[in-house]
Amino acid sequence: GAVVSQHPSRVICKSGTSVKIECRSLDFQATTMFWYRQFPKQSLMLMATSNEGSKATYEQGVEKDKFLINHASLTLSTLTVTSAHPEDSSFYICSASIAGARQETQYFGPGTRLLVL
Amino acid sequence: KQEVTQIPAALSVPEGENLVLNCSFTDSAIYNLQWFRQDPGKGLTSLLLIQSSQREQTSGRLNASLDKSSGRSTLYIAASQPGDSATYLCAVMNTGFQKLVFGTGTRLLVSP
Repeated sequence: GAVVSQHPSRVICKSGTSVKIECRSLDFQATTMFWYRQFPKQSLMLMATSNEGSKATYEQGVEKDKFLINHASLTLSTLTVTSAHPEDSSFYICSASIAGARQETQYFGPGTRLLVL
Repeated sequence: KQEVTQIPAALSVPEGENLVLNCSFTDSAIYNLQWFRQDPGKGLTSLLLIQSSQREQTSGRLNASLDKSSGRSTLYIAASQPGDSATYLCAVMNTGFQKLVFGTGTRLLVSP
């Protein structure tokens, strides 16, 4: 149980285009989803926290107009990288916590590798 | 601001060795600490979670300890195997927050 999927697993796009990444909780409802970014050989950095039906909370230094997050249902959150540039190339990982359960448990997706040319 | 550091950054050992990975954090007001495993290009697998009131947790060949007052945790891997090769991340959750703050990771290579 507690499986989180991400789609796509890998995406290559041209500079200036927008890319949408989906994060789904497959067998549970997620009150809260988290989006992380990981640069090569570095650790995960939290970008934003999203709660179903409300606006996402962004970490300091993360541009909310560039990284649009939508958490429209209890099983789906999307991250859209708008007008992507090469410096946005990274590994994006989402996680989800189970609604009603102990909130400290986060289940992680397999990640999405973004390469912006 | 919580900062999490892991030492060593990389470790290479022959199969069968027992090894210890270290994690330190600057703010002792934590809710829990977790150890994760990450294979190259993959997501995270949770290994062990230690609540702030606990001293250690064990799962198979893995044992994690927590000394909250000194801001330290160790992950002990017994009888290492090539399949243990991965990056190990520790992460802390501060009291009152849901956010996880990740350490810098230790890249482990176990050679046959």
